Amino acid sequence: GQSLEQPSEVTAVEGAIVQINCTYQTSGFYGLSWYQQHDGGAPTFLSYNALDGLEETGRFSSFLSRSDSYGYLLLQELQMKDSASYFCAVRGQAGTALIFGKGTTLSVSS
Amino acid sequence: DTGVSQDPRHKITKRGQNVTFRCDPISEHNRLYWYRQTLGQGPEFLTYFQNEAQLEKSRLLSDRFSAERPKGSFSTLEIQRTEQGDSAMYLCASTKDRANYGYTFGSGTRLTVV
Repeated sequence: GQSLEQPSEVTAVEGAIVQINCTYQTSGFYGLSWYQQHDGGAPTFLSYNALDGLEETGRFSSFLSRSDSYGYLLLQELQMKDSASYFCAVRGQAGTALIFGKGTTLSVSS
Repeated sequence: DTGVSQDPRHKITKRGQNVTFRCDPISEHNRLYWYRQTLGQGPEFLTYFQNEAQLEKSRLLSDRFSAERPKGSFSTLEIQRTEQGDSAMYLCASTKDRANYGYTFGSGTRLTVV
């Protein structure tokens, strides 16, 4: 089977940096993705890592270490609008569907 | 393109009734997925199609659930003999056939079984 672990809640203040960790157990591995979901909204795609290392997209970066079955999402210069749930998701094999974690609720305060 | 559309947005049904939801994916996306999400949880995979072929179904998916994508375009998800435990948000997503291409989700259909 496949399972993902991520913290349930994270809090931070505007302008800060926050890291949301994700560890996974899969029989195979075909990439780690991150999605953002605001209350009442649909999940939206943030990033995808297939190889080890850091991928940067604006204020958001995502990191992967396949040997540790671990990744993280780094959010910099936090804004109030970043308050949302963040999900890591893995695909165990090519051509299969993403399996999502339970999500991390990020609360950004002023 | 207007993104992934789902209909209806909300559905309230009595226990034991059948319900059907529709999803219209982004036109150039050949993969279509159905997920279910309950409060405080991540999306739970139900089934997925590549074009009109149903390639994967969750082992947790009850026989009361069935999905179709008859012409490789829109898809329907039917739940027969609904139970209160079926109450959830049903999300549809589509994507291209590329590993690094993210899913585009619809706004979902919220099902309440009373």
